[in-house]
Amino acid sequence: QKEVEQDPGPLSVPEGAIVSLNCTYSNSAFQYFMWYRQYSRKGPELLMYTYSSGNKEDGRFTAQVDKSSKYISLFIRDSQPSDSATYLCAMSVAGANNLFFGTGTRLTVIP
Amino acid sequence: NAGVTQTPKFRVLKTGQSMTLLCAQDMNHEYMYWYRQDPGMGLRLIHYSVGEGTTAKGEVPDGYNVSRLKKQNFLLGLESAAPSQTSVYFCASSYLRASGRLSSYEQYFGPGTRLTVT
Repeated sequence: QKEVEQDPGPLSVPEGAIVSLNCTYSNSAFQYFMWYRQYSRKGPELLMYTYSSGNKEDGRFTAQVDKSSKYISLFIRDSQPSDSATYLCAMSVAGANNLFFGTGTRLTVIP
Repeated sequence: NAGVTQTPKFRVLKTGQSMTLLCAQDMNHEYMYWYRQDPGMGLRLIHYSVGEGTTAKGEVPDGYNVSRLKKQNFLLGLESAAPSQTSVYFCASSYLRASGRLSSYEQYFGPGTRLTVT
């Protein structure tokens, strides 16, 4: 069993829709939770991060962490064609050198 | 700042050939990483370095070697390439906060190297 599970999609939504992306994990020691966005043929770029449980909002993006369920989510409101990318969740133990990544969900926002 | 750069962008090798991938960062980051990305497998850590002159194994180190002779550079070597090493390789770097708490979550990635081994 992988430490981080993520539905690969693909996910296709109309412009303006609310998008929900999710990951589950098995290691209860994870404390940092991140979302990376990766455009086609580019490197991943950090989109948002949260520490422990709770919500974090940044513009149209909201990240949620539910440590009791070992479940994290990324919500995108008013989705735009420019949001079309692969979204990778990642997590780590505090003080650790490496990240554990999900396989990524490919999102397409149709104009 | 250029951030994290990788050389080359593309490469085709024949089985058994060797090559070196170069990663350079101009952000004075302490930590550097090499990942490979394969369809359905996500990003997997090959090797990493916590400072100049240090290296450590990641999740999938077999068939690869690394060196960190200078803080800004991290080299990934394939001594005898195999078709199973066909992949996209990403380098990343991250920094140690002044308080001493590792900000491992803020990894900055390069644009990637597409390697095909025939």
